[in-house]
Amino acid sequence: DSGVTQTPKHLITATGQRVTLRCSPRSGDLSVYWYQQSLDQGLQFLIHYYNGEERAKGNILERFSAQQFPDLHSELNLSSLELGDSALYFCASSRGIRDNTGELFFGEGSRLTVL
Amino acid sequence: DAKTTQPTSMDCAEGRAANLPCNHSTISGNEYVYWYRQIHSQGPQYIIHGLKNNETNEMASLIITEDRKSSTLILPHATLRDTAVYYCIVRVARWLKGQFYFGTGTSLTVIP
Repeated sequence: DSGVTQTPKHLITATGQRVTLRCSPRSGDLSVYWYQQSLDQGLQFLIHYYNGEERAKGNILERFSAQQFPDLHSELNLSSLELGDSALYFCASSRGIRDNTGELFFGEGSRLTVL
Repeated sequence: DAKTTQPTSMDCAEGRAANLPCNHSTISGNEYVYWYRQIHSQGPQYIIHGLKNNETNEMASLIITEDRKSSTLILPHATLRDTAVYYCIVRVARWLKGQFYFGTGTSLTVIP
């Protein structure tokens, strides 16, 4: 158990809909990262938040957005869903402090299926 | 962050050492080498990281060449549970700098 909690574990929805994925980082971790893994593809970095502020963006679509709340949990919002958005979405956390070399702790993922 | 190159797949006999190579010829002096693995759609798991010295922990050993252009992850006694995709990542390790970009990794199959 990495200590990172993601909900829901599985989600099935239709095209055009909107979903929210939730992530609770490990206790004390200030950084939260979101990754997308489509079938037979590697992990694609989406976005990084540190202590409530966006720090870096990767290959995140404009239809997707994220935020990190004061209690440090994070949400990834996916809207106008398309079939190609079906994927595993992983959240990871790290301490994010100055002298940390940045080991990431991953949750078990949220599997999104768009029909 | 520097790019890495790994073989697509490898096999290893159970009980033998698994040696997974990674090429990172454009690595910069302030970039670390990290290894993660992902077992069948589970969340990736940290294995080990290093800058220029060889490193060892309870899971594996990391051998980095003197010029730092390549490295090898060694699982000393592979078990069936080590069957996974192994990712080699090069990343600047500064405060809030340097993201973890996972490539396609090496799919290791441990054979009974």
